[in-house]
Amino acid sequence: RKEVEQDPGPFNVPEGATVAFNCTYSNSASQSFFWYRQDCRKEPKLLMSVYSSGNEDGRFTAQLNRASQYISLLIRDSKLSDSATYLCVVNNFNKFYFGSGTKLNVKP
Amino acid sequence: GAVVSQHPSRVICKSGTSVKIECRSLDFQATTMFWYRQFPKQSLMLMATSNEGSKATYEQGVEKDKFLINHASLTLSTLTVTSAHPEDSSFYICSAKQGKRTEAFFGQGTRLTVV
Repeated sequence: RKEVEQDPGPFNVPEGATVAFNCTYSNSASQSFFWYRQDCRKEPKLLMSVYSSGNEDGRFTAQLNRASQYISLLIRDSKLSDSATYLCVVNNFNKFYFGSGTKLNVKP
Repeated sequence: GAVVSQHPSRVICKSGTSVKIECRSLDFQATTMFWYRQFPKQSLMLMATSNEGSKATYEQGVEKDKFLINHASLTLSTLTVTSAHPEDSSFYICSAKQGKRTEAFFGQGTRLTVV
């Protein structure tokens, strides 16, 4: 079983839409969680960390549910520049495991 | 934010030769560095984890004699792909982590093509 599972998408949404991505992880002992963004043929860049209490950064909201081993990312008011692949990342004992990524296409 | 520089960004080499990729943390001390490989339309696969001054820990299925990792200082780790073959062609990315901080920051990646 994969450490981290994500819906690969693609999610095709119009500008201004709200879109949500989900991710599940298999190791209940995982310590920390992140969303990264990867543009085509570029390196991943940290978007935000994910906490049980939920955290928000502008149009982005991340949530962690430890009981269900589930992580989510909500993007409000989508912009064209949000088009990218969003990677769910889990840290197990100092090793980072990546989901396969969810591709988002925001269209005018 | 923390900056990680990876070099070269792109390399083409002949089958059987060796290629060295450098990963540097520019504005922080990287106690742990990670090396990943990413094939087209696939996720990043962790190859190995290295802590400064000690031997790298390789993931299952990754040949340590083929992918030599050196983390000799707190700001530099190198990955050497030895006796490269066309199937080693991939996007190799390093990331670095500082001490007890939980985030990792990525280099720009190296696209290796073995012909």
